[in-house]
Amino acid sequence: DAMVIQNPRYQVTQFGKPVTLSCSQTLNHNVMYWYQQKSSQAPKLLFHYYDKDFNNEADTPDNFQSRRPNTSFCFLDIRSPGLGDAAMYLCATSRGRGVLGYTFGSGTRLTVV
Amino acid sequence: AQTVTQSQPEMSVQEAETVTLSCTYDTSESDYYLFWYKQPPSRQMILVIRQEAYKQQNATENRFSVNFQKAAKSFSLKISDSQLGDAAMYFCAYRSAGMGSGGGADGLTFGKGTHLIIQP
Repeated sequence: DAMVIQNPRYQVTQFGKPVTLSCSQTLNHNVMYWYQQKSSQAPKLLFHYYDKDFNNEADTPDNFQSRRPNTSFCFLDIRSPGLGDAAMYLCATSRGRGVLGYTFGSGTRLTVV
Repeated sequence: AQTVTQSQPEMSVQEAETVTLSCTYDTSESDYYLFWYKQPPSRQMILVIRQEAYKQQNATENRFSVNFQKAAKSFSLKISDSQLGDAAMYFCAYRSAGMGSGGGADGLTFGKGTHLIIQP
């Protein structure tokens, strides 16, 4: 089945140690998104790629970066994780502007120790 | 900026009964899209139903239907004949129909979610 896959499901990292979360998709969607979801809060858009064009949300900290080497893969890099970065990170994809809806991965839960 | 409000952090319903989840939003736009997503525990978020703001007819998908009141900026979800598998977090989301500030695509603006409990 076509899907969005996030690895790993659970990631534990040390305070200040760079960490990379990955997302892959078999849907051939041209837009990929990264959301941060903290406990009891709404998912918050960090950035997205429209094809190869990177679009950063204005309030996304510089600590968060992303790479999209090809259509299928997208990575979230956290350069120096702080305790406040512990959250569920959701990857989503859409065809075009996503007016038909988005397809989400199962998420990666990041713990910072 | 648009905001989405879900005023019910948690709802409980007996199996086979009907439940309605509330959602209001704030926008100055006239054209947009609204969604309800379901997020079961430890599983991916799944699209339940979508509504196009320029369509007056309320969307329906099997047991799921919406009551879209554009003037009131209200978008509630009704689940009929509730089943145990409906237990999940439900998120209401808004998406502008306009072009984004970068690249032509914007993300969704979500509410904080409603935790739906199904009592057997």
